[in-house]
Amino acid sequence: QLQLQESGPGLVKPSETLSLTCTVSGGSISSSSYYWGWIRQPPGKGLEWIGSIYYSGSTYYNPSLKSRVTISVDTSKNQFSLKLSSVTAADTAVYYCARHPSILWCYDPWGQGTLVTVSS
Amino acid sequence: EIVMTQSPATLSVSPGERATLSCRASQSVSSNLAWYQQKPGQAPRLLIYGASTRATGIPARFSGSGSGTEFTLTISSLQSEDFAVYYCQQYNNWPPNTFGQGTKLEIK
Repeated sequence: QLQLQESGPGLVKPSETLSLTCTVSGGSISSSSYYWGWIRQPPGKGLEWIGSIYYSGSTYYNPSLKSRVTISVDTSKNQFSLKLSSVTAADTAVYYCARHPSILWCYDPWGQGTLVTVSS
Repeated sequence: EIVMTQSPATLSVSPGERATLSCRASQSVSSNLAWYQQKPGQAPRLLIYGASTRATGIPARFSGSGSGTEFTLTISSLQSEDFAVYYCQQYNNWPPNTFGQGTKLEIK
């Protein structure tokens, strides 16, 4: 059974870079059938797709965040990572990682999510 | 960017009754629409994709319909575990794929 688990600091200072890693277990991140994505949810609000990556390193980003986002993959560790630079309080959210088929951009399964708070 | 609008924001329904949730797209998304269920403190769970195909393990009381710009999620006989927030998501035009703002289904 495929499982995803987010990890990283729960508190980031304004203007710094948020860094999270998603570890995939129970399956290979190198599957040719899937992309791996990041989605976030501010407290009490809705869902926002951040970006997705293929095992080859090909990426797609949300245009609203593209200038600040980098997603990378490490197939040797079965992990993919998110970096979001120049964070502000508006970036405070639960960050989820998830898998989606390369031809169907709907997300299943999801990690449990990790809350990242931006505060000094 | 395609804007997804869900209605109502909150829906109050009694257990055992039928619930009907709506999702509208600002332009056609064909049948490239998914529905998710999210319970407090949990990640969303995929219910429906392709507008009407249930994901693995989803009970038959959940059904989806629609195409183009108008979509519906129906829960035929509400169980206690169905009270949650439901989101629709389009994946026809991306990036970005976009989510609706959610409908909270609460016990009446």
